[in-house]
Amino acid sequence: LAKTTQPISMDSYEGQEVNITCSHNNIATNDYITWYQQFPSQGPRFIIQGYKTKVTNEVASLFIPADRKSSTLSLPRVSLSDTAVYYCLVGLSGGYNKLIFGAGTRLAVHP
Amino acid sequence: NAGVTQTPKFQVLKTGQSMTLQCAQDMNHEYMSWYRQDPGMGLRLIHYSVGAGITDQGEVPNGYNVSRSTTEDFPLRLLSAAPSQTSVYFCASSLRTQNTEAFFGQGTRLTVV
Repeated sequence: LAKTTQPISMDSYEGQEVNITCSHNNIATNDYITWYQQFPSQGPRFIIQGYKTKVTNEVASLFIPADRKSSTLSLPRVSLSDTAVYYCLVGLSGGYNKLIFGAGTRLAVHP
Repeated sequence: NAGVTQTPKFQVLKTGQSMTLQCAQDMNHEYMSWYRQDPGMGLRLIHYSVGAGITDQGEVPNGYNVSRSTTEDFPLRLLSAAPSQTSVYFCASSLRTQNTEAFFGQGTRLTVV
């Protein structure tokens, strides 16, 4: 499984754009990059997934450079409700959907 | 559509007691898994199942047993609870193939005294 490295914590203010970068230097050819969001006292929730270039949905954008050794989750115009832990996951074992979580990035959005 | 349902939401056990955490999903997902999350930490995989009758160990399986007799249910058993098992437990389900969205339950907060 590809090891991921992401910042332990980040702070932002309402209305700002937040970019969280994840490093995954040993990503394999077949690996996808997936981000989950976890609010306090809740289970993680799928945000976005991508393989290369750019993916956008109603919640976030995911930017993946050509070498795929890193990826950036972009949250546009954050609000207080975006305060959460964000997990970057890369690589899945044995063909199953076995998710291995790291420590994640704790995002705090301030008024 | 209930998704993934975990019961109970809260539980206090005495050291040495046994109990079963229940997990049920109504999405006909083949893949189900159990995680524990300690304060300020990420989730750690305990056990997983790729279909009825098939289970395997995750990162931290010691002290826990699982079985998968139906597609819908994946109970987690603590045979002899220890204070080190105080944690929040999450159940998840998804399609079997990789790179698919996983759905998590709301968690069971377990305290072992």
